[in-house]
Amino acid sequence: GQNIDQPTEMTATEGAIVQINCTYQTSGFNGLFWYQQHAGEAPTFLSYNVLDGLEEKGRFSSFLSRSKGYSYLLLKELQMKDSASYLCAVRDRDYQLIWGAGTKLIIKP
Amino acid sequence: TAGITQAPTSQILAAGRSMTLRCTQDMRHNAMYWYRQDLGLGLRLIHYSNTAGTTGKGEVPDGYSVSRANTDDFPLTLASAVPSQTSVYFCASSDEEADTQYFGPGTRLTVL
Repeated sequence: GQNIDQPTEMTATEGAIVQINCTYQTSGFNGLFWYQQHAGEAPTFLSYNVLDGLEEKGRFSSFLSRSKGYSYLLLKELQMKDSASYLCAVRDRDYQLIWGAGTKLIIKP
Repeated sequence: TAGITQAPTSQILAAGRSMTLRCTQDMRHNAMYWYRQDLGLGLRLIHYSNTAGTTGKGEVPDGYSVSRANTDDFPLTLASAVPSQTSVYFCASSDEEADTQYFGPGTRLTVL
């Protein structure tokens, strides 16, 4: 079967750095997405990786290792508004998105 | 632009009744999707459409039907609602099936 694993919940301090991991086992691989979802709102696109390595976008970076079936989202200089759920999704060989259950990130002052 | 709109925002429905959730996008995207999101589970695909006039089944299609008469609209119908269909429903679209998906604000449905 296809599976995406992420930690259920993480806590971090305002101004700090946090890394959210995602491991996957899917039927083929055609890219990995990270989305942010604030409580009661829709998911919004953060990043996309299809090749190995690090993609940096402001305070957020996303890393991919296809051989390890592993990705992480790195958030720097955390702000209170970063409190949200972070969803990892992998596109399989049929171009269907397989979603993780999400990681709830709690930021404390 | 509005992007993707969904209606209603929320609804309480008696079991056995039918209901259509509406989704409209103004981005001229070819592909559209319906997901349900339940606590502790990832988004699960119900139905999708890669282009107007075509639809396909996702991971959890039973009890739901869709149509895609034109590019902009992708309604989801529950013919006879059951309590297990209580969920938050998100509509999404992408330019092509392999592109980034963009989500509507969601419909919170409670079936009693």
